[in-house]
Amino acid sequence: DAKTTQPNSMESNEEEPVHLPCNHSTISGTDYIHWYRQLPSQGPEYVIHGLTSNVNNRMASLAIAEDRKSSTLILHRATLRDAAVYYCIRTISNFGNEKLTFGTGTRLTIIP
Amino acid sequence: NAGVTQTPKFQVLKTGQSMTLQCAQDMNHNSMYWYRQDPGMGLRLIYYSASEGTTDKGEVPNGYNVSRLNKREFSLRLESAAPSQTSVYFCASSVMTGPYEQYFGPGTRLTVT
Repeated sequence: DAKTTQPNSMESNEEEPVHLPCNHSTISGTDYIHWYRQLPSQGPEYVIHGLTSNVNNRMASLAIAEDRKSSTLILHRATLRDAAVYYCIRTISNFGNEKLTFGTGTRLTIIP
Repeated sequence: NAGVTQTPKFQVLKTGQSMTLQCAQDMNHNSMYWYRQDPGMGLRLIYYSASEGTTDKGEVPNGYNVSRLNKREFSLRLESAAPSQTSVYFCASSVMTGPYEQYFGPGTRLTVT
């Protein structure tokens, strides 16, 4: 089961940090956690991914729990442009052909 | 560098008509994917091509066929459109299958009446 669990929606004030949670309690040792976001009327956009260690890039940080059953996407300083649906995705290894399985995501609203 | 391009952007079909959605990428990626997104839902994988010359079914392949024409192009064909295929279709590519970033096109909005 490739299921991850995210809140349906969240709100945050502009210029404040945002922490988007994700539960993936049945994750196996070789599964990666990916985050994508989708702005209105656009295709999804890669944000970040990781396996075990916390990861940082220019867009965000990914904090992965020690037991890997949950993770948190951190946007350090939200802007209006960050308003989007954020998808937490677990890639299930299938003979090397790992595929993305999208859920319904978290709709993030940024309040000016 | 256009990334992933899709044509057409919009299409309206009558039930039973056929059409082909085109996708091309200029990033020299090996793997390409077709997804559909129904209103208020996440994306679901229809078909993918791990490398030129190979295609495999995803989660919802029924009613669709695909062709990996060459390394750049991956097309999706609806042989006999049905209203249940009304959706937004996204093409994506990645350097290869696995934990690699997928780059998505802008989507094709298809309505079947």
